Amino acid sequence: KAGVTQTPRYLIKTRGQQVTLSCSPISGHRSVSWYQQTPGQGLQFLFEYFSETQRNKGNFPGRFSGRQFSNSRSEMNVSTLELGDSALYLCASGAGDSTDTQYFGPGTRLTVL
Amino acid sequence: KQEVTQIPAALSVPEGENLVLNCSFTDSAIYNLQWFRQDPGKGLTSLLLIQSSQREQTSGRLNASLDKSSGRSTLYIAASQPGDSATYLCAVSDSNYQLIWGAGTKLIIKP
Repeated sequence: KAGVTQTPRYLIKTRGQQVTLSCSPISGHRSVSWYQQTPGQGLQFLFEYFSETQRNKGNFPGRFSGRQFSNSRSEMNVSTLELGDSALYLCASGAGDSTDTQYFGPGTRLTVL
Repeated sequence: KQEVTQIPAALSVPEGENLVLNCSFTDSAIYNLQWFRQDPGKGLTSLLLIQSSQREQTSGRLNASLDKSSGRSTLYIAASQPGDSATYLCAVSDSNYQLIWGAGTKLIIKP
């Protein structure tokens, strides 16, 4: 069974631009969660989607948004990029919610210049 | 507000030793606790998941315990190997079904 895939793996953007990251969960999984990982703040929860509905949202500004499609693939979008958005963005898929084992993708490394 | 702390932040031990990593959390109202490992520049791999009603879980050389009342979990690694070198993170699933993460313990196993 294929694991969680994330595209692109690396991305370089400049301040003010916007970016879209993609995550394909494990086949059959309906839950996708997104996390931001930085050296200073560690891992922080962004949001979770289940069956195309945002089920949970972390404490991030409205510039961070996401969606989930009918095939469970998910995208997250960051608008008006700031230098502080440079991070490793991880997505995780699960059969149910965060109380189930979470399977992580390799992440997308975003650098904002 | 739930806070998760991992001690120590870094640990270096010779190959073959048994070792213990610690994780503490401030609010005992959790659904479960999970241990992950992260290799440099990569995603996370789930190691063990302990439900709030359980006391421990085992997988191979790994054993994780949970004491919800005291807000503590330990990850025991037996007969450590160089391939165990990684950052180990614990996370609790809180009352809002969100995963709250510790900062991790960076483990180095010296051959």
